[in-house]
Amino acid sequence: DQQVKQNSPSLSVQEGRISILNCDYTNSMFDYFLWYKKYPAEGPTFLISISSIKDKNEDGRFTVFLNKSAKHLSLHIVPSQPGDSAVYFCAASKDNYGQNFVFGPGTRLSVLP
Amino acid sequence: DTAVSQTPKYLVTQMGNDKSIKCEQNLGHDTMYWYKQDSKKFLKIMFSYNNKELIINETVPNRFSPKSPDKAHLNLHINSLELGDSAVYFCASSQELGQGLTSNEKLFFGSGTQLSVL
Repeated sequence: DQQVKQNSPSLSVQEGRISILNCDYTNSMFDYFLWYKKYPAEGPTFLISISSIKDKNEDGRFTVFLNKSAKHLSLHIVPSQPGDSAVYFCAASKDNYGQNFVFGPGTRLSVLP
Repeated sequence: DTAVSQTPKYLVTQMGNDKSIKCEQNLGHDTMYWYKQDSKKFLKIMFSYNNKELIINETVPNRFSPKSPDKAHLNLHINSLELGDSAVYFCASSQELGQGLTSNEKLFFGSGTQLSVL
């Protein structure tokens, strides 16, 4: 039972354009969401988070949108840069305790120069 | 000055062997974790541990055991390795169990250990 889904295993985007990575979840009790970025041979690193009291959180080129009624969140990267090429993991939790995070399988983003 | 470091990076071993993966964090965090990234790329928590409490994911076989000599270290011991144990194992840490995570207390991951059981 995949509680957090990232249905696109991979995504290719031209440099300078917008990258949109999607994440869907099934557990309506989730109310805290994070995105992690992972380069090859490295561990995931925290990118941005959002709690259910918000529908948008922005940090520089990265914006996360949350649609609780649709149980959907998305990460927008604009403008995309080649250095953004990585695997992006969506994670969700019923609270924001580290041991309760459920991760999606990741989406591999390739930003083409 | 790596924040969370784990060794070895690669581990190839035979079925039935016992092996350990070491993890150290220099962030002063109180809680450490072990995650397993399975063949479908899902990151699944195996254990979370601080000096007060060990929380075990009930799906983890008891062949896996965390050992913490001090709060900066959480090693993973695996007995009687099986083919299905082949995966990438990530260590992580965060500030404190039970306090919740803010944007300043997110999970910090090590670079992973790729375990291959032959």
